Amino acid sequence: GENVEQHPSTLSVQEGDSAVIKCTYSDSASNYFPWYKQELGKGPQLIIDIRSNVGEKKDQRIAVTLNKTAKHFSLHITETQPEDSAVYFCAGRSGNTPLVFGKGTRLSVIA
Amino acid sequence: DTAVSQTPKYLVTQMGNDKSIKCEQNLGHDTMYWYKQDSKKFLKIMFSYNNKELIINETVPNRFSPKSPDKAHLNLHINSLELGDSAVYFCASSQGGHANQPQHFGDGTRLSIL
Repeated sequence: GENVEQHPSTLSVQEGDSAVIKCTYSDSASNYFPWYKQELGKGPQLIIDIRSNVGEKKDQRIAVTLNKTAKHFSLHITETQPEDSAVYFCAGRSGNTPLVFGKGTRLSVIA
Repeated sequence: DTAVSQTPKYLVTQMGNDKSIKCEQNLGHDTMYWYKQDSKKFLKIMFSYNNKELIINETVPNRFSPKSPDKAHLNLHINSLELGDSAVYFCASSQGGHANQPQHFGDGTRLSIL
């Protein structure tokens, strides 16, 4: 089955700097890669997703890139703000299989 | 106008007891899920229901029994609770079975076993 690895497990950045979180996946048939943000005491919230027919997707300060050959995808957050501090999860799936999540990255944005 | 709501938010109980967690979604989705998040924040799917029918059961002990009375509800009943059941349980929903549609999560139920 699918296996998703996520790095780093913790990340601290200064406010205004960029943050990058990287994930790799094992199943070459995987075709859907969402990113979730989880704030303290809340459920994961989808922030962006990408499908395998696209190499990059951007939504304001957030972008995701996908390299199907290398089987890795990354989340980029530019101009970070304190409210970006949270745990971020990548995930992947192929066909009708369940979503498989990475182990999460705790992002701290220091004002 | 909460999209996916779970009750209760916190559940503290003794080992050996039986408890239920309720989940309701008002998004009109046809697929609902239960996830378990352990103390290290690892999220793992437990069950998935599409149109009230079980489509995924990820090797969860049969002490856990999901029940879907209709497409908008997926409840989780747990028998003979054990210490290892302590975790946060999340309900989620999406449209279209396992098509690549976003899943919407509730805010979780923190279950603590004494």
